[in-house]
Amino acid sequence: GAGVSQSPSNKVTEKGKDVELRCDPISGHTALYWYRQRLGQGLEFLIYFQGNSAPDKSGLPSDRFSAERTGESVSTLTIQRTQQEDSAVYLCASSSIGGRFNEQFFGPGTRLTVL
Amino acid sequence: GESVGLHLPTLSVQEGDNSIINCAYSNSASDYFIWYKQESGKGPQFIIDIRSNMDKRQGQRVTVLLNKTVKHLSLQIAATQPGDSAVYFCAENIGNTGKLIFGQGTTLQVKP
Repeated sequence: GAGVSQSPSNKVTEKGKDVELRCDPISGHTALYWYRQRLGQGLEFLIYFQGNSAPDKSGLPSDRFSAERTGESVSTLTIQRTQQEDSAVYLCASSSIGGRFNEQFFGPGTRLTVL
Repeated sequence: GESVGLHLPTLSVQEGDNSIINCAYSNSASDYFIWYKQESGKGPQFIIDIRSNMDKRQGQRVTVLLNKTVKHLSLQIAATQPGDSAVYFCAENIGNTGKLIFGQGTTLQVKP
């Protein structure tokens, strides 16, 4: 595709359930980032992938959050035992190579609502 | 801790006027900054960036100014149009991984 895609676009779940959010980066982009955006807030960094390894996981808020990436392709962010404070928009971005000075292209996000 | 913040939560301007959106950062070691535009229901869109070895950079209708002495960044939009209405974020690039630290955002409202 032409840009970063994410699915689902919206997800409503009950507290305590697990959810999986998917990101398809731009083809050929080796770097992939996950961010979280709470209502009315800026984006918070969660994790960075270079290829299928994650050299920076410093933004994951708790051990309920995990992510994986298959090669230089799809990434999945998993939230276990969801809590109401997990409600946010989860955004994925990719760049051609990792590191500074490389433009990150963002997907439209997945809006997660935990009831 | 490290933070990137914005001075004004909402800016309302008349169509055709110039807009100025401000941002303060706290990490004096920061050397790369980016402005993003986010429209409702969409992901952030890159507008313009600047490295710390520059004071000013111009794009199409946009200019970014960097004042390292007072750790201040601004985005100027010339001849603001209704299509410029959005939330604008400044972001700081931390380290070598490309990790971005975002400010809280300023909503720009353009009145016709």
